[in-house]
This record gives sequence, structure tokens and C-alpha cells, in this order.
Amino acid sequence: DADVTQTPRNRITKTGKRIMLECSQTKGHDRMYWYRQDPGLGLRLIYYSFDVKDINKGEISDGYSVSRQAQAKFSLSLESAIPNQTALYFCATSGTDSTDTQYFGPGTRLTVL
Amino acid sequence: AQSVTQPDIHITVSEGASLELRCNYSYGATPYLFWYVQSPGQGLQLLLKYFSGDTLVQGIKGFEAEFKRSQSSFNLRKPSVHWSDAAEYFCAVGAGDMRFGAGTRLTVKP
Repeated sequence: DADVTQTPRNRITKTGKRIMLECSQTKGHDRMYWYRQDPGLGLRLIYYSFDVKDINKGEISDGYSVSRQAQAKFSLSLESAIPNQTALYFCATSGTDSTDTQYFGPGTRLTVL
Repeated sequence: AQSVTQPDIHITVSEGASLELRCNYSYGATPYLFWYVQSPGQGLQLLLKYFSGDTLVQGIKGFEAEFKRSQSSFNLRKPSVHWSDAAEYFCAVGAGDMRFGAGTRLTVKP
């Protein structure tokens, strides 16, 4: 079984709809992250959480919110989706040391029409 | 602010040829540097990382990278490329709040 899972893997929605992307991990890591990937832009950090009570904005948090329900679960929400949020979204986890590797999930492809 | 530049959007090499992917970074302190690889339809996998010590870092799949502080660079190399190395490669800098480059897509010719 994969260590970092994301659901759904693909989602098509309409402008204005609320969307939640979910991430679960079995690695026992405290730190979790949400990124979006756009062609030609690489990955950009949306939010990150160093533990259940610690959530931080990343480079591009506007239009997104997150919830850390448990050590193993970190959800990303788009309260009112817009077309320029069409992207590939990745969840990642890491240990507590700054040099620790980030382990990525398989990604969620989101299309907002 | 920390940032990463990967000057080459797309590189094509012949199978068996050597490879060098460039990465330049901007970071205020001693950087933590990473190279990740993304195969089509997959998430990212760590190839190697540098945070201190020997400036030549060995990674998985026969890759290595050299940290050059004077040039603010962390270039990825492989002496002989295999067809399975075709993928997108990302350089990243930072700790926690990590910054990624835009990526370099590698095509391998038979």
C-alpha cells in the first residue's frame, strides 16, 4: 500500500463549487504539505502543517483553506473554485528535521470549468 | 527570498551519453538543496539532497550533484543516461517552506 494517498485522483467541477481534496499518510510523519503544479511553473507550496495544531500559509494560499484532522490526515479545500485553480495537486509528508525527505502522493488532477 | 532557477526547460540526450541538468538558487543562509524526479503520471521521488559536508552528493539511480557555493549552483549529473531516465527533474531549496524550480524535461533518444 502507498504511504501517501490522495483522493480523488481526478476531479472535474464547475466554477463556484466547493471542493475538498484529501490526503492520508501511513508514514507517521508530523509534517504535511499541499502543493500545486502548473506547466512551466514547477511546484508551489499552498499550505503546510508541522503538527496538528500548527498550520502555515505557503507561497500561494489565497483561495484555499486546509484542515489537519489528525496526524495522518490533511485536507485542502477550495471554497469557491475558479478556472485558474485547474492544476495538479500534490500532498507530501516529512519528518520533523528540516533535512528530512518529503514524500509525495500520486497527485490529484483538478479541472475547474 | 529563496528561489530556484532551472535554465533549461527541455533537454534531449542520446542513450549512453552523459547528462548535466543545471540549477541555480538564491537563499540567505546555508541552503538545503534537493533534486526530485517525476515520471509521467507519477508523484515526485527524491534523487538526492545536500545540507552540509561533502559538496559532491551521491543519489539513487546513478545520479550525483555538486554544490558550488561560489556559483550558487547545484547541478545534477549522470555519466551514462538510460532510456528509463526520461522524466521531469526538479531542483528545490529550503526547509519546510520549500521552493521548487520550474523543472527540466529530459528526453532520451535511442
